[in-house]
Amino acid sequence: NAGVTQTPKFQVLKTGQSMTLQCAQDMNHEYMSWYRQDPGMGLRLIHYSVGAGITDQGEVPNGYNVSRSTTEDFPLRLLSAAPSQTSVYFCASRGGGELFFGEGSRLTVL
Amino acid sequence: GNSVTQMEGPVTLSEEAFLTINCTYTATGYPSLFWYVQYPGEGLQLLLKATKADDKGSNKGFEATYRKETTSFHLEKGSVQVSDSAVYFCALHFGNEKLTFGTGTRLTIIP
Repeated sequence: NAGVTQTPKFQVLKTGQSMTLQCAQDMNHEYMSWYRQDPGMGLRLIHYSVGAGITDQGEVPNGYNVSRSTTEDFPLRLLSAAPSQTSVYFCASRGGGELFFGEGSRLTVL
Repeated sequence: GNSVTQMEGPVTLSEEAFLTINCTYTATGYPSLFWYVQYPGEGLQLLLKATKADDKGSNKGFEATYRKETTSFHLEKGSVQVSDSAVYFCALHFGNEKLTFGTGTRLTIIP
């Protein structure tokens, strides 16, 4: 049972480039979410989904897109990266009242 | 809105010392409360939780009691170990599926 798998673990982008952070879970959880973690700010919710075909915005959605075509996958897209998006990103799914996190993706935007 | 306020770190203790990390919350109603732990280079994982007032969550020697009267959920451990060095997050949750996290407290245990 792999849990929540995120790729890539590390990525460096130039300003204006686009990329997708992948997230997959094998626990059949309906709820999935993306957070960013920044020093002194804790975790902030970017987008979340309560099931396939349904997505909604969190606290800090600007500059990010998501889609949920299957229960398993919840990719996060940066359409035009900015230095302010330098952060560590965590995908999480929820089951049984508990959030299960991936190991994180460290993104640097130059 | 809902919010969680955590004791600011970093916190540095000697091995076998007593640990308290304070957490208070603001919420309308009675949320579920959680402590998550993040070890270096890893994602967060659930440490313990409490779903109603006066419940005590416990795991790995850590405990926290849901105090409605003081809106608190302080994390305690009687004797810390070097392996407890990590960042600890307090969080609350309502039925709207969104967790609200505190800013985290970095704990370092010195041998």
